[in-house]
This record gives sequence, structure tokens and C-alpha cells, in this order.
Amino acid sequence: EAGVAQSPRYKIIEKRQSVAFWCNPISGHATLYWYQQILGQGPKLLIQFQNNGVVDDSQLPKDRFSAERLKGVDSTLKIQPAKLEDSAVYLCASSSLGDTQYFGPGTRLTVL
Amino acid sequence: AQSVTQLDSQVPVFEEAPVELRCNYSSSVSVYLFWYVQYPNQGLQLLLKYLSGSTLVKGINGFEAEFNKSQTSFHLRKPSVHISDTAEYFCAVNVGGRRALTFGSGTRLQVQP
Repeated sequence: EAGVAQSPRYKIIEKRQSVAFWCNPISGHATLYWYQQILGQGPKLLIQFQNNGVVDDSQLPKDRFSAERLKGVDSTLKIQPAKLEDSAVYLCASSSLGDTQYFGPGTRLTVL
Repeated sequence: AQSVTQLDSQVPVFEEAPVELRCNYSSSVSVYLFWYVQYPNQGLQLLLKYLSGSTLVKGINGFEAEFNKSQTSFHLRKPSVHISDTAEYFCAVNVGGRRALTFGSGTRLQVQP
């Protein structure tokens, strides 16, 4: 069974530029999560999807972050414009009907 | 809301020695508890989880954890560590189902020869 795929693995941009991350969850997993992991901290939820609907985006900085999961499968997370404090690893996870979340390898974003 | 406290940011230990990584949680409702491991430049891998039943949970790579409701703790243990166990370990909770996880700040386990 293929795991959660993410791309790109690394991205370096200048502040005020835009960036997008892509996630393909495990086949058949209805629930998809995006977490932000700042260096030295644990991951924090940005947004959770159930199929193509948003379940929780209470911690998503909506003035600059957006995410979509149009067909209920893969998802894109966008930052526009990026700030220095957005430097972090962005982790995508998915789960089926159960309780275990499976994580992708993450995208490491550096904002200069 | 839930919160997780991992009391040690770093734990150095010699190879083949036992280790305990501490985790305490706070929640007004019953929670499910998880330990994940993160190797450098990789995502998180599930080590073990407690949902219900026996309070002693066994996971992969020889790790185990014990749920203590009265002390609101879920400490991770291994009787004999290997160099390959060097990684970051995260304790996490959620309130079940497909809810998002709340993570602690992590403990870096450094196994020395």
C-alpha cells in the first residue's frame, strides 16, 4: 500500500512570494489533515478535510493561507504572501474510518 | 481543549540502557493517546496507541507505554535502546474518531555508543 505522498520535499522562497504544496493521501482515506511543524515544536493542525469538505480550519491564518481538496482525493495548501515566520515543515496526514493518522514525509519551507 | 506536556526536551542514554520518555496530558474528556517517532527529514511514524482496555500498550521496535488515568500520564519505555532509536519522539492526544491530534513539543532521544 502506497503511503502519503507530498511534493515538493524542499522549497526556498523570498518573503512576500507565493508557494503551494501538494498532498496525495493513501487511497480510500476520506480524512486529510495539514499540520505545520515549526523547528523545535510539535506539529499543529492547520486544516482538516472530510472528503472535500472542511471540518476544522480554526487555526488556519486565512489572510494568507488557503487549502482545497476539490475531488476529495489530493489536496493543495497555498501561502500567499509568505512571511519569515512561515518557515516550517508542512506535514500532510490521512486516515480512514479508524483513529490512526498516517503522515507523509513533509515539505520543508524556508522563507528568506 | 486538550494539551500535552513532554517534560524532557532531550534524553541522552547509552546503548543497551533502558529509557523512559515522559508524557502528561490535560483534557476535560476521555482521550486517545499516541506516540509517534520522527527520524531526520522524515514524516511521523506511529509507534503505539492507547484507545481503551489494557493500560499497558506494546508497540513497534520494542517500545511500550503505560496509560495512567489518575496521573494523566502516558510514558514511553524501552528496556534496551539501540543506536538506531536516535530520533525525535512525539506524544499526542485526540478525543477519538477522526479528530486532529494535539502534539507535545517532542523529546529528542540521543543514543550514544
